[in-house]
This record gives sequence, structure tokens and C-alpha cells, in this order.
Amino acid sequence: DQQVKQNSPSLSVQEGRISILNCDYTNSMFDYFLWYKKYPAEGPTFLISISSIKDKNEDGRFTVFLNKSAKHLSLHIVPSQPGDSAVYFCAASGEYGNKLVFGAGTILRVKS
Amino acid sequence: DGGITQSPKYLFRKEGQNVTLSCEQNLNHDAMYWYRQDPGQGLRLIYYSQIVNDFQKGDIAEGYSVSREKKESFPLTVTSAQKNPTAFYLCASSMWQGGNNEQFFGPGTRLTVL
Repeated sequence: DQQVKQNSPSLSVQEGRISILNCDYTNSMFDYFLWYKKYPAEGPTFLISISSIKDKNEDGRFTVFLNKSAKHLSLHIVPSQPGDSAVYFCAASGEYGNKLVFGAGTILRVKS
Repeated sequence: DGGITQSPKYLFRKEGQNVTLSCEQNLNHDAMYWYRQDPGQGLRLIYYSQIVNDFQKGDIAEGYSVSREKKESFPLTVTSAQKNPTAFYLCASSMWQGGNNEQFFGPGTRLTVL
């Protein structure tokens, strides 16, 4: 039973445009959400997070939006750059302390 | 430099052999985790430890064992009982108290069973 779902396996975007990566969750006990970026054969690196008491968090080119009623979050990257090409994982925690539940990931390709 | 190290980067094992993957952190984090990643899948939790000398099974603990004798170290043994051990293994650490703490990941170990 997948509690965190990233339904788009891949996304292709032109350099300079907006990238929008989506994530849905089913467990209403989740109260903290994170996005990680991962290059092949490397460990994921933390990008940005959001607590359930907020609906938006920004950090430079990255913004995460949380819609609790829809159990949906999204990561916006503006403007997209070729170096953003990677796999992006959505993760959630809350019910089990700091244990994270990960989605399957979305491959982002930014074309120059 | 604070961080998490995993060794080796690549590991080959014959079927029927146990193998131990190393994970060390100097971030003074309380909690450590082991994940496995397979192609097209997210990270799945194998074991985690909140404190020295204590650890808990994750979602896919069968065929694996861990120890946490020191705060800095959390080695993972892949035993011969693990039916499909070829995968990319990731170690992570985080603070535990206070909640909402992001996990920091090591570079990973690619295990291939021949």
C-alpha cells in the first residue's frame, strides 16, 4: 500500500520554464513533507521541506505547496536549469517520528 | 567536514555469502537508517536506530541484520537469507528528538550478487 505516490515517472521541461513535480499522500497522520534530489549513483540531497501548519515554503528557485484537504503537495522550480536534471523524491513523516516514507520518484529532464 | 561515509562504493558478492556494508557519520546525529533502492522504486526502509544499542525493523528487514554499538556507526549485514540482495544501499542519519528533522544521506553502496 503506497502511502506516498508520485504518479509521473518522468517530466521534460525547457530550460528557463517552470518545472512542477507532484506528490499525493494517503496517510492523514503525516505532518511534515520533504523533497530530495538525487543524481545517479549518489545519495539523495535534501532540497526543501514544509510543515503541515503551512501551505507554502520558498527557498530561492524552489517552492513547495501543500494542500492538506487534497493530500497533495507540489514542488515548483523556477526557472528550471539543466543542472536540475535529476530524480526528485517526495517524502513524508509524522506518524512514526522521524521515519520517512518515500514516493517512487520523478525523473526531471531540463533541456537546454 | 561533517558528513556520512559509506564504504565500499561498489561491492560484489557470491551467492550464499554474507556481506557487511559500512556507514559512519560525524554529524553527532542520534538516529541512523538503512534504505535500499531498486530501479523505478523509491527508497525502502530496512532498519533504523534511534539510539546506541537499540534498533528497529523497517519495512523490508528480512535477510538483513544491523548493530549500533557506537553513535557514529551503523553497519548493515546482508545475509545469505536475503533472496534478492542486488540493489543500491543508502545510509542516512538525523536528529531524533524534536521531530521534523531532515535525514542526511551517504553516497551509497552498489551491491551486486554474482
